[in-house]
Amino acid sequence: QLQLQESGPGLVKPSETLSLTCTVSGGSISSSAYSWGWIRQPPGKGLEWIVNMYYDASTHYNPSLQSRVTISVDTSKNQFSLKVRSVTAADTAEYYCARLARTVDPYFDYWGQGILVTVSS
Amino acid sequence: QSVLTQPPSVSGAPGQRVTISCTGSTSNIGAGYDVHWYQHLPGTAPKLLTFGNNNRPSGVPDRFSGSKSGTSASLAITGLQAEDEADYYCQSYDNNLNGSVFGTGTKVTVL
Repeated sequence: QLQLQESGPGLVKPSETLSLTCTVSGGSISSSAYSWGWIRQPPGKGLEWIVNMYYDASTHYNPSLQSRVTISVDTSKNQFSLKVRSVTAADTAEYYCARLARTVDPYFDYWGQGILVTVSS
Repeated sequence: QSVLTQPPSVSGAPGQRVTISCTGSTSNIGAGYDVHWYQHLPGTAPKLLTFGNNNRPSGVPDRFSGSKSGTSASLAITGLQAEDEADYYCQSYDNNLNGSVFGTGTKVTVL
């Protein structure tokens, strides 16, 4: 059974960089059959897509976040990561990592439990 | 910022049928992209309910069914149960954003 687990600091100061890691178990992150992504949910609001990274290393970023966000992968650790630079209180959210079941017209078939990140001084 | 619009809430009595609409545009649902639905309980991981408009992953009851027409889609829940009380989100792909998009979310209440 595939499992994803987010990890990282729960509190980040304004203007700093938010860094999260998603550890994948029960399957290889290198498989060409799947791709990976990040989604977030601010308190009291809906789901917001952040970024998709496809098996060929191409990426699609939410245009509203693209200038501040980077996704990367470490195949040796079966992990992928998210960095959000210059954070503000608006970046406070539950952050989820997920697997994309296909690259064309993708959907998310496995999700992590989520990690709450609060931006505050 | 969501480009897919859902009603904020729907409710129904146990055993009833409820539907949740998801309205998009010609750059996403209307462009022929599939619609997928998720169930989300607070504090848990969102769960894929349907994919590719009306396919269910293994383990999802056939009480949940999706459909799509034009620039809109719907999720129907028949035989409503107390355990169905949750938030529901539609999701598609948008060729203007060149990425995934989620609906605004609908809270289902079982009366």
